Amino acid sequence: KAGVTQTPRYLIKTRGQQVTLSCSPISGHRSVSWYQQTPGQGLQFLFEYFSETQRNKGNFPGRFSGRQFSNSRSEMNVSTLELGDSALYLCASSLEREAERKTQYFGPGTRLLVL
Amino acid sequence: GESVGLHLPTLSVQEGDNSIINCAYSNSASDYFIWYKQESGKGPQFIIDIRSNMDKRQGQRVTVLLNKTVKHLSLQIAATQPGDSAVYFCAENISGGYQKVTFGTGTKLQVIP
Repeated sequence: KAGVTQTPRYLIKTRGQQVTLSCSPISGHRSVSWYQQTPGQGLQFLFEYFSETQRNKGNFPGRFSGRQFSNSRSEMNVSTLELGDSALYLCASSLEREAERKTQYFGPGTRLLVL
Repeated sequence: GESVGLHLPTLSVQEGDNSIINCAYSNSASDYFIWYKQESGKGPQFIIDIRSNMDKRQGQRVTVLLNKTVKHLSLQIAATQPGDSAVYFCAENISGGYQKVTFGTGTKLQVIP
């Protein structure tokens, strides 16, 4: 079974631009979460989507948004990019079942550099 | 607030020795804990998990210990190998609720050949 895939893997943008990142979860996984990882802050939760609905959100400004499609694929968007948005953006998917412990499986991430 | 923290940012271990990575958590409601390994250029990889109704769980060369009294968990790696060099994260979650995993800041494990 294929793992979580993220595109693009690397991205360079300038301040003020916007960016869209894509994530394809493991087949059958309906929960998709997004994280921002920086050296100083570690892994920080952005939001989680399940069945096309955002059901949890971290403490990030409204410039960060996302959505999920009917096939569980997800995108996140960052508008009006700032230098501090440079980070590794990780997507994780998990299986939602009564007996499952919701272990998350991560993709390789998208490395975003804002100049 | 909720937080998960690691005691040591960097741990250097001789190849063949055992490694112990520690983690503290503060949310008493957390009942599910996970250890992840992240190698350079890759996303975190699941290693082992433990539920709050357990004190210990063993995997292949790894053991996780949970002490709910002091809100502490540890990851023990037996016979550490160069391939174990990575950053290790502990994470906590609350089962039955929405997926909102809280990660620690990470410990970098360096294996000395």
